[in-house]
Amino acid sequence: DGGITQSPKYLFRKEGQNVTLSCEQNLNHDAMYWYRQDPGQGLRLIYYSQIVNDFQKGDIAEGYSVSREKKESFPLTVTSAQKNPTAFYLCASSMGWGRWNTEAFFGQGTRLTVV
Amino acid sequence: GQQVMQIPQYQHVQEGEDFTTYCNSSTTLSNIQWYKQRPGGHPVFLIQLVKSGEVKKQKRLTFQFGEAKKNSSLHITATQTTDVGTYFCAGGAGGTSYGKLTFGQGTILTVHP
Repeated sequence: DGGITQSPKYLFRKEGQNVTLSCEQNLNHDAMYWYRQDPGQGLRLIYYSQIVNDFQKGDIAEGYSVSREKKESFPLTVTSAQKNPTAFYLCASSMGWGRWNTEAFFGQGTRLTVV
Repeated sequence: GQQVMQIPQYQHVQEGEDFTTYCNSSTTLSNIQWYKQRPGGHPVFLIQLVKSGEVKKQKRLTFQFGEAKKNSSLHITATQTTDVGTYFCAGGAGGTSYGKLTFGQGTILTVHP
């Protein structure tokens, strides 16, 4: 069954700890994205990657880091430098190549709560 | 950087009324996409527009892309309770920001039966 999987669905961490959110896809997509969703602010782009071993900062990359060592995986680390990390995090993937973006498929999301 | 603004933020309608949400970009877009997110769910792709002035229809939904490729709209005719959710536009950048997909803030649609 093809798709994009995020885990865990809910995550609780203490303030000051780094935490890594998992995102795996078996759609053979080249492009992957991380978005943060807060009430009333829509989806804000954290990082995106068009190809393995390459990624670009989005609009709110400060306090986050990513890696893209495999085509299928794009983990996001929320570091202790992120001042307000409690949010709903969404990972997405798309075919990516060409002049235009293609349809993005989203995971179910991870709701991170930092206490 | 590229900004995508969407209005209104909220819209309450009676079932059967029409609904429109508007999307404006600070820069020219290579393409625009529309997504729907049901309460408690994740965004699901509706459609993509790539040509200047393009209009596409999906049953009761009509999507438009402006001539300058900087604005877009989604119009729903005769809303139903199943239309409830948040509608997002997402602008695709070109040039050096190739591949970047920037979302608007979304319009939360409530339909009263």
